[in-house]
Amino acid sequence: GNSVTQMEGPVTLSEEAFLTINCTYTATGYPSLFWYVQYPGEGLQLLLKATKADDKGSNKGFEATYRKETTSFHLEKGSVQVSDSAVYFCALRGAAGNKLTFGGGTRVLVKP
Amino acid sequence: GAVVSQHPSWVICKSGTSVKIECRSLDFQATTMFWYRQFPKQSLMLMATSNEGSKATYEQGVEKDKFLINHASLTLSTLTVTSAHPEDSSFYICSAVEWDYGKEQFFGPGTRLTVL
Repeated sequence: GNSVTQMEGPVTLSEEAFLTINCTYTATGYPSLFWYVQYPGEGLQLLLKATKADDKGSNKGFEATYRKETTSFHLEKGSVQVSDSAVYFCALRGAAGNKLTFGGGTRVLVKP
Repeated sequence: GAVVSQHPSWVICKSGTSVKIECRSLDFQATTMFWYRQFPKQSLMLMATSNEGSKATYEQGVEKDKFLINHASLTLSTLTVTSAHPEDSSFYICSAVEWDYGKEQFFGPGTRLTVL
């Protein structure tokens, strides 16, 4: 079956630091890949996505590239802000159907 | 656009009672809605998939008689936790899919259930 593995947190950074959250996946065929963000007390929001190999998703300064050869979709941001403190989830959706498979989530805390 | 609401946002109930949680798509028609459960500091676990007008499809290990799902219309799905017990305390999140958006799921803000 499909699975997503992402680095465990928490990740604590200073403002303006570089952020990387690793995500690798196992799936058959050609899944779509997503990063969701969950701010404290809120539901999930789609941060970015990529639907085919070598696609780069980007939003709000965050980027992730769909790497089929390494089955990875690592999330990066060059300069984080305190407002980026949240839990980040990597997820995949199989080629057929609507179901999402989530990674365990990574809590990020950015200190001023 | 593509807003999903949940009601209530939080609920506290006594053990043995039933609790109903509503999930609504406010500005689109949802062909499919999903119900997830999230434990503290953990990921989302898919509980079931509901399609309007048909029975929900439950994931392995989820008790269908305990977690009743009704997708009454293209904008409303309900999750009823029957005879709730403290171990049912959790954060329940729904999501909805509109076909025109290419199967993207839009998530509700979640409902925190505490069973005393």
